[in-house]
Amino acid sequence: DAGVIQSPRHEVTEMGQEVTLRCKPISGHNSLFWYRQTMMRGLELLIYFNNNVPIDDSGMPEDRFSAKMPNASFSTLKIQPSEPRDSAVYFCASSLAGGPYEQYFGPGTRLTVT
Amino acid sequence: KQEVTQIPAALSVPEGENLVLNCSFTDSAIYNLQWFRQDPGKGLTSLLLIQSSQREQTSGRLNASLDKSSGRSTLYIAASQPGDSATYLCAVGSNDMRFGAGTRLTVKP
Repeated sequence: DAGVIQSPRHEVTEMGQEVTLRCKPISGHNSLFWYRQTMMRGLELLIYFNNNVPIDDSGMPEDRFSAKMPNASFSTLKIQPSEPRDSAVYFCASSLAGGPYEQYFGPGTRLTVT
Repeated sequence: KQEVTQIPAALSVPEGENLVLNCSFTDSAIYNLQWFRQDPGKGLTSLLLIQSSQREQTSGRLNASLDKSSGRSTLYIAASQPGDSATYLCAVGSNDMRFGAGTRLTVKP
């Protein structure tokens, strides 16, 4: 199994630009999670999906952030427009909905907004 | 809101020592507790998952215990090795996982 796949691994962009992060969950997993990790705030859950449906997006910081899951094997997290304070490592994770909820993480995307 | 605390924030031990990492949480009505390892610049690797009905899980040199009534979990690492150096995070919940800030472990040769 290839595990959770994220792309790109590194992204450097200028303030105001649109950024799209991509995730492919583990095959057969039907829950998908987007997290953000910073030194100041640690690991924060942004949004999660069950069976491609967004369940809880209360962690999404503001309207500049949006996430989609058009099918069971692909999700995107978009930031438009990006700001320097969005610089962080963004992780995607997947698990089996219905339990036991063990989450498997991707390698992350390191985003730098200048 | 569930709060998860990990103490100590950093720990340095000589190789071969047995050690314990601590995790505490405020709401005992949890579904799961999961321990992860994170190497610098890398993602999180799942080490052990303890379901609410269980009291401990073991994998190799690792043993994790769960005491829901006191809101505590411990991760025991036996015969530590330099390769164990990493940040260890605990997380509590089901889909809505709450993470501690982690314990940064250094095992010196």
